[in-house]
Amino acid sequence: GAGVSQSPSNKVTEKGKDVELRCDPISGHTALYWYRQSLGQGLEFLIYFQGNSAPDKSGLPSDRFSAERTGGSVSTLTIQRTQQEDSAVYLCASSLIQSGEQFFGPGTRLTVL
Amino acid sequence: DAKTTQPPSMDCAEGRAANLPCNHSTISGNEYVYWYRQIHSQGPQYIIHGLKNNETNEMASLIITEDRKSSTLILPHATLRDTAVYYCIVLMEYGNKLVFGAGTILRVKS
Repeated sequence: GAGVSQSPSNKVTEKGKDVELRCDPISGHTALYWYRQSLGQGLEFLIYFQGNSAPDKSGLPSDRFSAERTGGSVSTLTIQRTQQEDSAVYLCASSLIQSGEQFFGPGTRLTVL
Repeated sequence: DAKTTQPPSMDCAEGRAANLPCNHSTISGNEYVYWYRQIHSQGPQYIIHGLKNNETNEMASLIITEDRKSSTLILPHATLRDTAVYYCIVLMEYGNKLVFGAGTILRVKS
């Protein structure tokens, strides 16, 4: 079956612009997670959704970052006024229920010039 | 969640078993041990998890010591495609936040 998909696969933007990253989880998975992986920081948790609500936003690095999920399915991570330090691979994962067994997408590589 | 300690890198000959250790001496009774791997330029991939009994699936075996302070992931017949970074993660049941450390870079060589 289809796995987690993310779009775009690559995004290059200029400092100060806003970007939207999309995640399509596995059908029927109620839990959705965003992580990011940067060269100096490794893999870090950003936010978790259960259905359309986000009970854990503890990893969002600043108020420039926000995320939403609609219809218990697609999620969008928005970064406003991008900075160079936002450059990273943004990974989305989903799981059937809240669980450590998470299925990851291929990621979106964001480059902020 | 408890911290984990893994060796930074290991080499393994193709066709041999790869044994990847992990220390988690502060693990609590309701925390599970999860293993993930990340092949270059791909997202992390779930491998296996366990609480206290040894576990086996089509990918690997997980051996957890009786005191649960350490575990070993075993890839029984490593192939070149198993070259990846392997992460050991401790997480409560129904936990949601995977905390990835530096992991172990496993290089499988022919």
